[in-house]
Amino acid sequence: EDQVTQSPEALRLQEGESSSLNCSYTVSGLRGLFWYRQDPGKGPEFLFTLYSAGEEKEKERLKATLTKKESFLHITAPKPEDSATYLCAVHGSGNTGKLIFGQGTTLQVKP
Amino acid sequence: DTGVSQDPRHKITKRGQNVTFRCDPISEHNRLYWYRQTLGQGPEFLTYFQNEAQLEKSRLLSDRFSAERPKGSFSTLEIQRTEQGDSAMYLCASSLHNTDTQYFGPGTRLTVL
Repeated sequence: EDQVTQSPEALRLQEGESSSLNCSYTVSGLRGLFWYRQDPGKGPEFLFTLYSAGEEKEKERLKATLTKKESFLHITAPKPEDSATYLCAVHGSGNTGKLIFGQGTTLQVKP
Repeated sequence: DTGVSQDPRHKITKRGQNVTFRCDPISEHNRLYWYRQTLGQGPEFLTYFQNEAQLEKSRLLSDRFSAERPKGSFSTLEIQRTEQGDSAMYLCASSLHNTDTQYFGPGTRLTVL
């Protein structure tokens, strides 16, 4: 069964304190791993898509990496505006394109 | 280019009432997805359309739920005889193809009293 597990559930950082969020996945034939940011009361906002092990993508203070079993979202020198819930998702088995999400990591960055 | 839009943004209803939500996808996206998200959880897949055809329904979608996409553009999700357990955020997403990135709307927050 396709499964995505994110850790930690919650993370508190001081402004400027770098850290990483983990996403472990089990899926038959990975066809895409996605990172989204979600602010309270809003829909998920797309950040990155990764397709194969070894792939990396960067955007401002965020960098996403992918191995055969997990993905990391590295946050370098975070700012308070980076506070949000970060969701990881994979395409499920089959051809529907439906996404299987983890439960998310809620990040709080204190000034 | 406008993103995915959903209406209404919030809906409060009494148990037993019917509700209908609307989703307008990004134009030219032929795939449209519905998800449900409860507090502290990631979104869960409900159903999806390719053009006007509904191609898969999750077992989460009971008989009280029905979705349509009559002309392959906007979609509606109806919940009949709402229950308190239906309280959640209902999210709509669209994509160009099945392996493409899905872009989400702002969601409709349903509260069943």
